[in-house]
Amino acid sequence: EAGVAQSPRYKIIEKRQSVAFWCNPISGHATLYWYQQILGQGPKLLIQFQNNGVVDDSQLPKDRFSAERLKGVDSTLKIQPAKLEDSAVYLCASSPTTDGLNSPLHFGNGTRLTVT
Amino acid sequence: AQSVAQPEDQVNVAEGNPLTVKCTYSVSGNPYLFWYVQYPNRGLQFLLKYITGDNLVKGSYGFEAEFNKSQTSFHLKKPSALVSDSALYFCAVRPPGGFKTIFGAGTRLFVKA
Repeated sequence: EAGVAQSPRYKIIEKRQSVAFWCNPISGHATLYWYQQILGQGPKLLIQFQNNGVVDDSQLPKDRFSAERLKGVDSTLKIQPAKLEDSAVYLCASSPTTDGLNSPLHFGNGTRLTVT
Repeated sequence: AQSVAQPEDQVNVAEGNPLTVKCTYSVSGNPYLFWYVQYPNRGLQFLLKYITGDNLVKGSYGFEAEFNKSQTSFHLKKPSALVSDSALYFCAVRPPGGFKTIFGAGTRLFVKA
């Protein structure tokens, strides 16, 4: 099966600019996650979708971050305006709910964002 | 608060020696437990999971993990390390009742030839 696809792989922007990341999960995976991984830290959940509904966005900085999954398939994460501390790798992951709560996450290769 | 701790930033072992990467968690109930590995410039890759049953679970690439409920630990092990095992390892827990997954800070494994 094809893996989780993310684009772009790298992005460099100046602070206060906007940026968007795209993710296409594995076909048939109903659950989609966006994680932020700051250098030297573990991934931190930003938002979790079940189909096209938000399940958990408690750690999403909603004043600057937004995400959508309009048709329950691919998803976009946007930052506007970006801050220096947003420099990180943004990981998208998906999992098949049909396998139950013990199904592992399948990750894309991430987008490395550098804010200057 | 729910959390995962990986007490060692880095673990160094010689090739051929056994390795252990430690993980403890603080989650109420009976969570699902996972280990993932991350190679440079790549996403995380699933290694193994504990759901229920035998406390020793086996996973990919010869790795195994030992679950200890009384110590709330889930340590990753391998009997004989390879240089190619050098990578970043993450322990993760999924609290009961949902799909939310919480990750530890990661442990860098360095295997010396």
